[in-house]
Amino acid sequence: EPEVTQTPSHQVTQMGQEVILRCVPISNHLYFYWYRQILGQKVEFLVSFYNNEISEKSEIFDDQFSVERPDGSNFTLKIRSTKLEDSAMYFCASRGGLAGTDTQYFGPGTRLTVL
Amino acid sequence: AQTVTQSQPEMSVQEAETVTLSCTYDTSESDYYLFWYKQPPSRQMILVIRQEAYKQQNATENRFSVNFQKAAKSFSLKISDSQLGDAAMYFCAYRSGSGSARQLTFGSGTQLTVLP
Repeated sequence: EPEVTQTPSHQVTQMGQEVILRCVPISNHLYFYWYRQILGQKVEFLVSFYNNEISEKSEIFDDQFSVERPDGSNFTLKIRSTKLEDSAMYFCASRGGLAGTDTQYFGPGTRLTVL
Repeated sequence: AQTVTQSQPEMSVQEAETVTLSCTYDTSESDYYLFWYKQPPSRQMILVIRQEAYKQQNATENRFSVNFQKAAKSFSLKISDSQLGDAAMYFCAYRSGSGSARQLTFGSGTQLTVLP
């Protein structure tokens, strides 16, 4: 069964460093998402991406964040200058976009630790 | 903006028994979807069940079923014949039926413990 994959599973970085989190969505899906879950808290929407551009973003997704689909298969989230409060689990999700395929499928997540 | 509320931070159930997890939501929309996701200790988000708001029939997936009360804006999850592997954090989520992005809005979760 097709699945969303994410790398790395765990990333440790120093405050102020740039990180890139990678995702490979399900191959025929059209919509892509990043969510964040700070430990012990609810899952929060960051950004959605369709047709090579951002379609929605939350107030969390400020200028420090950017997303890209560089090669038609990968979907990346870049945090330009990490802060301590960026420590969280980051989930990528994708959905087909066609009628009857509205379910979002999540990847296993990347745990980001900012020291 | 839509909100999703899960009022039970923790629940426990005996193995083989039935448990119901509560979820309420607030929306002014008539077209939307509701989901239950399971998050085991691995923290992977796994879809358990989904419900389209326009469908009156409650969704069922094997031992998992929902009680969808549209007028009351309530969407509870019933787990029958609970198994040890059901132990996880359960999140209720809402998604609008309009707009292209259709991001999910999650509740705060219910931690389910299954007692042997």
